[in-house]
Amino acid sequence: EAGVTQSPTHLIKTRGQQATLRCSPISGHTSVYWYQQALGLGLQFLLWYDEGEERNRGNFPPRFSGRQFPNYSSELNVNALELEDSALYLCASSEFGGTGAPNTGELFFGEGSRLTVL
Amino acid sequence: GQQVMQIPQYQHVQEGEDFTTYCNSSTTLSNIQWYKQRPGGHPVFLIQLVKSGEVKKQKRLTFQFGEAKKNSSLHITATQTTDVGTYFCALEYGNKLVFGAGTILRVKS
Repeated sequence: EAGVTQSPTHLIKTRGQQATLRCSPISGHTSVYWYQQALGLGLQFLLWYDEGEERNRGNFPPRFSGRQFPNYSSELNVNALELEDSALYLCASSEFGGTGAPNTGELFFGEGSRLTVL
Repeated sequence: GQQVMQIPQYQHVQEGEDFTTYCNSSTTLSNIQWYKQRPGGHPVFLIQLVKSGEVKKQKRLTFQFGEAKKNSSLHITATQTTDVGTYFCALEYGNKLVFGAGTILRVKS
């Protein structure tokens, strides 16, 4: 069974440009999460999509946005790129519809997309 | 807001020594998860703890959930070089899974 796949693996942009990152969850998973991991830092929660809806977002400016498609794949868009947006962007999927229940599903992470902003 | 503290930030041990990382929350948790991220890799789920005082073992790894469900620990017995990486706890807050800052483990052979 294929795991979570992300593309592109690497992306180089310049300040002010826009970046689009893509994620395909594990088949049967309806929830997709996006995290930002800057070099040497932990995982910062960005966005959570479930059943095509944005369910929650982290403390990031509005230029970070995304969507989830009917096939549950997802896209993360970052507009007006800044140098500090350089990071590894990790996508994860889970079988259950989000968190909060005693049986919260584990997150399955993709390999990530490394964005470099020059 | 939710406070999650994970300590230590970094630990360098001799192969064969034990290692422990701690995760503390400012609020009572419904559950806690642990992940491992190898250098250059992505986080991989290790375990989820749900019950107060729960202890679970995976070979040399022992996971514990505090009685008050506000803290958790991961203990590795007799570390091996394959244990290197960053260990994260993750807890639910406000309908999102929040990760601790992680503990980086380095093992000297």
